[in-house]
Parts: sequence; structure tokens; C-alpha cells
Amino acid sequence: AQKVTQAQTEISVVEKEDVTLDCVYETRDTTYYLFWYKQPPSGELVFLIRRNSFDEQNEISGRYSWNFQKSTSSFNFTITASQVVDSAVYFCALSELGTSYGKLTFGQGTILTVHP
Amino acid sequence: DTEVTQTPKHLVMGMTNKKSLKCEQHMGHRAMYWYKQKAKKPPELMFVYSYEKLSINESVPSRFSPECPNSSLLNLHLHALQPEDSALYLCASSQESGSSYEQYFGPGTRLTVT
Repeated sequence: AQKVTQAQTEISVVEKEDVTLDCVYETRDTTYYLFWYKQPPSGELVFLIRRNSFDEQNEISGRYSWNFQKSTSSFNFTITASQVVDSAVYFCALSELGTSYGKLTFGQGTILTVHP
Repeated sequence: DTEVTQTPKHLVMGMTNKKSLKCEQHMGHRAMYWYKQKAKKPPELMFVYSYEKLSINESVPSRFSPECPNSSLLNLHLHALQPEDSALYLCASSQESGSSYEQYFGPGTRLTVT
């Protein structure tokens, strides 16, 4: 069965600090997809990134970067020079190819608070 | 434009009421989803529609009744709800219903059942 673990329940940082959100997953499929979503207080989940299991290249988008390591089944997310607007709940999610309808298995989420 | 809209934003209803939640997307997506999210928990999948047909019902009680009138609209009809059904209800859409497609979420409807 697929499972996603986000061990950090809450993280608190001061603005401009770098912060890494951890995500560890379990799956028996060789083909799967990993996602990160951001949920600000307004409630809407905002799609951040999708990564497939065959692409282990790290990705950078502005202040955001992602480190995918199949050897450790991890897909960590780093925010560089954090800002107050980064305060949100962040969810890591997994979808297996064998799931025909694209069901997402979410982690429990990490609450990130960035203080000014 | 990656926008999914939901109405109403907030809804308070009694246990004997009938109400409906609405969701709309104009991205040409062929898959639409309903999720339920309780406070401090991840979203839980309720229903999946693919090409306007119900593909998945995740064992949701019959007091929740989904409807997909066309490829852009998704409704969730509510009847005889219980207080424990109070939650944030999120709609999402994706290009197709496969695992490789990212889902785009609406802002949700905060439902309170009294």
C-alpha cells in the first residue's frame, strides 16, 4: 500500500531563513508520481510541482527547490530566504501508475509559519 | 488560466436541509473530483468523475450525491447531513483522471452542519 510521511508537523522560522520540508514515501510500483501542494489560510490547495519516478533531477523554481532521491524514497522541498507569504500548510502527495483514476495519497502536512 | 471556482464559500445548514455545492472549471479538463477536508488533516477523496461519468465513489454515504451536468460543472447535493459532516469541501480538476496529471483545486466551501 502506498504511504506518505511528513514527519515535521509544524515548523517555525524567521523571515529570510532557509527551510526544508521532508517527505518520505512508500510504494510498490516502479512508476509513480510525486506532488507538492501549498494550502494557505484561504483554503485552496495550490499545485507546486509534479515529479515522475524516472526523473531524479532536482528542480529549482525561484526560491523553491526540490530534491528527489529514490534511494531514500524522499522528495524534500526547500524554501530559500523564506517570506511571511510562505506561511501555509504544505502537503506532499503520491499517485501510483496502477491507480487508474489518479488517486492522491497525501501526507499529513507540515504547517510552516514564517515570522517577520 | 488554472482556475477552479466554488460556490458558496461558506454554508451553514441544519440536519434536515437540502443544499448543493457547485464547482466550475474552464480549463477543458475531463476529470473532476470532490474532496472532504477536516481541520488539520489532509484532503480525503470522495468522488471522481471522468468524461462526465462517475468513476469512483470512495464509499461515501448516500446523503452526499454528486452530479456532473457537463464537462465544466460539478455539483454536490447534500441532504440530511450530520454535524460530523462539517468540513471544508474541495473541488479539483485535472486534464485526465490518470495518476500523472496534477489536480487543480478550488478554494473550497466551508460547511457547517448544525
